Amino acid sequence: QSVLTQPPSASGTPGQRVAISCSGSNSNIGGNYIYWYQQVPGTAPKLLIYKNDQRPSGVPDRFSGSKSGTSASLAISGLRSEDEADYYCAAWDDSLSGPVFGGGTELTVL
Amino acid sequence: QVQLVQSGAEVKRPGASVNVSCKASGYTFSSYYMHWVRQAPGQGLEWMGIINPGGGSTTYSQKLQGRVTMTRDTSTSTVYMELSSLRSEDTAVYYCARELYDGSGCFDYWGQGTLVTVSS
Repeated sequence: QSVLTQPPSASGTPGQRVAISCSGSNSNIGGNYIYWYQQVPGTAPKLLIYKNDQRPSGVPDRFSGSKSGTSASLAISGLRSEDEADYYCAAWDDSLSGPVFGGGTELTVL
Repeated sequence: QVQLVQSGAEVKRPGASVNVSCKASGYTFSSYYMHWVRQAPGQGLEWMGIINPGGGSTTYSQKLQGRVTMTRDTSTSTVYMELSSLRSEDTAVYYCARELYDGSGCFDYWGQGTLVTVSS
């Protein structure tokens, strides 16, 4: 089981807004930034959100991140078919002296 | 442009060792820590460890401590990950990933992945 907890699946129809949650503890999310990665099956993960709510260049503003206490959330608005992928949250864990990941959420666009 | 190019797929017997390389280009090699992350078939991401390409210092996950060794060659801007005493559970895609901010878990560039299959 992963240190960070995510729902295994999420779904939505085109144009809809979906949110993916990620919960942890004071040693990881509570005291450090959260990061989100998008992984299309068969490819390497791609950085989607950094430092809780920042988007790298090239990431559409349909993607947004937030953090509160020991939980975080990734929101995708105006859902598109190309958003179908696995999404992972990550944060540094001070107790483990390394990063920890969520188990991943498989997003399906119906 | 930044690139991380990994070595090719490997098939190993249980008990053997595997060495995966990751050649970096497009940036100053010693300026960014490099991590290794693996992903078993149909599973999530698992952190393996980190190497400082500048000084060579390493930190490994507790789970893999004693079986994993990370090294670097600054002359070729390449990092290596060796995993020994392989078991079937080590079958996974292994990624190298550049850490953008030290001690963050923020990986801005990833290698293409190397599939390691452990089978008798």
